[in-house]
Amino acid sequence: EVQLAESGGGLVQPGGSLRLSCVPSGFTFGGASMHWVRQAPSKGLEWVARIWSDGTSISYADSVRGRFTISRDNARNVLFLQMDSLRAEDTGVYYCARDSDYAFADWGQGSLVSVSS
Amino acid sequence: QSALTQPASLSGSPGQSLTISCTGTSSDIGSSYLVSWYQQYPGKAPKLIIYGGSQRPSGVSDRFSGSRSGNTASLTISGLQPEDEADYYCCSYPGRLTWIFGGGTRLAVL
Repeated sequence: EVQLAESGGGLVQPGGSLRLSCVPSGFTFGGASMHWVRQAPSKGLEWVARIWSDGTSISYADSVRGRFTISRDNARNVLFLQMDSLRAEDTGVYYCARDSDYAFADWGQGSLVSVSS
Repeated sequence: QSALTQPASLSGSPGQSLTISCTGTSSDIGSSYLVSWYQQYPGKAPKLIIYGGSQRPSGVSDRFSGSRSGNTASLTISGLQPEDEADYYCCSYPGRLTWIFGGGTRLAVL
């Protein structure tokens, strides 16, 4: 059974930083592209970033490009999202997801990020 | 890119069939069959129910089906059941290493 466990969320002031982690199990992490998807309170889903299985290809949504960095450590089986220069509009639940056929096949339970002074 | 357009809410009766539309442009849905659909219950993570426009993952009920015509993708739920009451999101991969979600549709089964 595929499982994804996010951690690292919390309350941060505007302009601050947080690093989210996602630990996978139940599949070969090094063979899967991975994503971060977020959801603002009572709002819809928004794709944030994606990283290729070997980390050689990365893409971001316009809303986070230049502020967020997706990375992975296949040796340690962990996916990261470094979030800098955080804004109030970055508040929400952040999900990591496994890619399959360009869809989000499996999701974690989410990690809540709150940006407020 | 702008979010795909979905009706904010829909309702149906048990046993009925219902279709949720997802409208994009010729640059996203109109040019790529790679549309996926997700079901989300309140406070829970989304679940993939359709990928590749019309493919169902293993374990997903065959009451869910997907299609695409022009710039619009559709999710049809046949034989509505109370447990289908949830939020549904479409998503398009237009092939430029970015993904676009729809705004979501809240489905009520009355």
